[in-house]
Amino acid sequence: AQKITQTQPGMFVQEKEAVTLDCTYDTSDPSYGLFWYKQPSSGEMIFLIYQGSYDQQNATEGRYSLNFQKARKSANLVISASQLGDSAMYFCAMRDHQGAQKLVFGQGTRLTINP
Amino acid sequence: NAGVTQTPKFRVLKTGQSMTLLCAQDMNHEYMYWYRQDPGMGLRLIHYSVGEGTTAKGEVPDGYNVSRLKKQNFLLGLESAAPSQTSVYFCASSYGGQNSGNTIYFGEGSWLTVV
Repeated sequence: AQKITQTQPGMFVQEKEAVTLDCTYDTSDPSYGLFWYKQPSSGEMIFLIYQGSYDQQNATEGRYSLNFQKARKSANLVISASQLGDSAMYFCAMRDHQGAQKLVFGQGTRLTINP
Repeated sequence: NAGVTQTPKFRVLKTGQSMTLLCAQDMNHEYMYWYRQDPGMGLRLIHYSVGEGTTAKGEVPDGYNVSRLKKQNFLLGLESAAPSQTSVYFCASSYGGQNSGNTIYFGEGSWLTVV
């Protein structure tokens, strides 16, 4: 069975600093995708970044990058130059590429950016 | 989140009442999912569907039923609501099979309170 673990319930970071949110995963599927979502206080799920298990390069999207270490089964999100608007819940999720391709979520990390 | 619409957005139910949440997507997606999110937690899969006329149980299916009579609609039913079903409900949809890629679209959520 798939499992996502986020070990940081909360993180506090100064504005303009970089921050790394940890995510480890477990799966027996050879092909899968890893996602990060942001959930602000308004509640919607905002897609940030995606990494495929066979992608050779780490994914980047603007200030977001995904530090993918396949052998260690980790997929940490790095946010560079944090902004006050980055304060939110962040969820790591995994989706296998077979069958129903269900998305499995971690417990989340609440990130607070201090001015 | 254009393309996945959830109805209603907010609802208060009394214990024992029934209701149906509607998820509609206009992207011709094969796969649809219903999740629930409890305070401070990640999303957990209730039921899912890999095509019109098909449904299957997810991680937390008890107390819920679903139907997918039309490809664009996925209904989540609560036959006899309980306070434990107070939660935020998210619907999601995506293409299936080899076309799934990294795109999975979420609705904006439905806030349900059972008193």
